[in-house]
Amino acid sequence: SQTIHQWPATLVQPVGSPLSLECTVEGTSNPNLYWYRQAAGRGLQLLFYSVGIGQISSEVPQNLSASRPQDRQFILSSKKLLLSDSGFYLCAWSMEREYYNEQFFGPGTRLTVL
Amino acid sequence: GQNIDQPTEMTATEGAIVQINCTYQTSGFNGLFWYQQHAGEAPTFLSYNVLDGLEEKGRFSSFLSRSKGYSYLLLKELQMKDSASYLCASGDTGFQKLVFGTGTRLLVSP
Repeated sequence: SQTIHQWPATLVQPVGSPLSLECTVEGTSNPNLYWYRQAAGRGLQLLFYSVGIGQISSEVPQNLSASRPQDRQFILSSKKLLLSDSGFYLCAWSMEREYYNEQFFGPGTRLTVL
Repeated sequence: GQNIDQPTEMTATEGAIVQINCTYQTSGFNGLFWYQQHAGEAPTFLSYNVLDGLEEKGRFSSFLSRSKGYSYLLLKELQMKDSASYLCASGDTGFQKLVFGTGTRLLVSP
């Protein structure tokens, strides 16, 4: 069966510090991978998605970046965090199918920028 | 453009039935998803509709009308554990993207 891992579970960082969040998927190959952010009381905002190693598409302009160094590894980074980067970060994966694209979410990382 | 609308909050009583509505306007359409999200946790998949009609899954049912851009999630025999946010999401054609609504927070009271 497939599982998705994210770490860390919680993180408190000062403004201006760097960020690295990691997501790995087990039990599947060549998944589509996604990074979402959910701010308090708001919906899921898609930040990045990837269809393969080294292929990253950005949905919104921001000071975050994403990388996919391996097939089942997805990393979210920032060089300098802003207060507005606080939120609940969720990684998700889906299979490459034409008509059914259910996404499976990891446990999330709660980031607080002070 | 992409737009998903659902009520912000609903309340209901244990044992009752509640219907959560969702309207969508998306540039492409590849099915309608419902997810449940308990506070502080990740969303979990509830249902998927790509054809018009009702899909039943135990206490939960989901309905879709593509011509009206409308869906609802029906929860029967409500339990306290059903208190959560319910997210409506439209599947986008072309790539496997989902466009999420802001979610409906459901509070079930005794």
